[in-house]
Amino acid sequence: AQKITQTQPGMFVQEKEAVTLDCTYDTSDQSYGLFWYKQPSSGEMIFLIYQGSYDEQNATEGRYSLNFQKARKSANLVISASQLGDSAMYFCAMRVRDSSYKLIFGSGTRLLVRP
Amino acid sequence: ETGVTQSPTHLIKTRGQQVTLRCSSQSGHNTVSWYQQALGQGPQFIFQYYREEENGRGNFPPRFSGLQFPNYSSELNVNALELDDSALYLCASSFLDRVRDSPLHFGNGTRLTVT
Repeated sequence: AQKITQTQPGMFVQEKEAVTLDCTYDTSDQSYGLFWYKQPSSGEMIFLIYQGSYDEQNATEGRYSLNFQKARKSANLVISASQLGDSAMYFCAMRVRDSSYKLIFGSGTRLLVRP
Repeated sequence: ETGVTQSPTHLIKTRGQQVTLRCSSQSGHNTVSWYQQALGQGPQFIFQYYREEENGRGNFPPRFSGLQFPNYSSELNVNALELDDSALYLCASSFLDRVRDSPLHFGNGTRLTVT
């Protein structure tokens, strides 16, 4: 079965510090994509970063980086230099390459940045 | 570039009624998908449309149906509403490319309350 697991319901981080949000996945497919989305209280899902299963280097996008460990089936999100605006729900998702290319989401991690 | 827009933003319906939610895709995108997000959970895939045909469906009953129009706008229809249908409904569009992954771009969602 294809599944995303996020084991941290909530996290705190001090402003300007780095934080790691955990994500593990389960799939028997060799080709897949992993995504992280941010959801503020407004409800919109904002795309942050993508990692393909065949990508040899970890993805980076500004203050976001993805720590991809294929053998462990983990795709942790690292946010450097946290800002107050980073407070939100964060979802890890996996693209299933069936006919629909749907995303399977985890249950999310709520991040609160303390001033 | 215009993003994904959804209407209405909020809706209250009574159990047994029918509802139509609308979505306008991001320009240049050829697929639209719908997700249901219950409170405190990650989004769940409902279905996806590609070139006006449904090309994938999640574990939702037939009373959830949809349409995609030639201009790539889309509707989600839910008949015989149940209390458990209360959720945030997210529309997402993307450019389906079977060679290269592309992220889903989400709208702000429609929050449906069934009483």
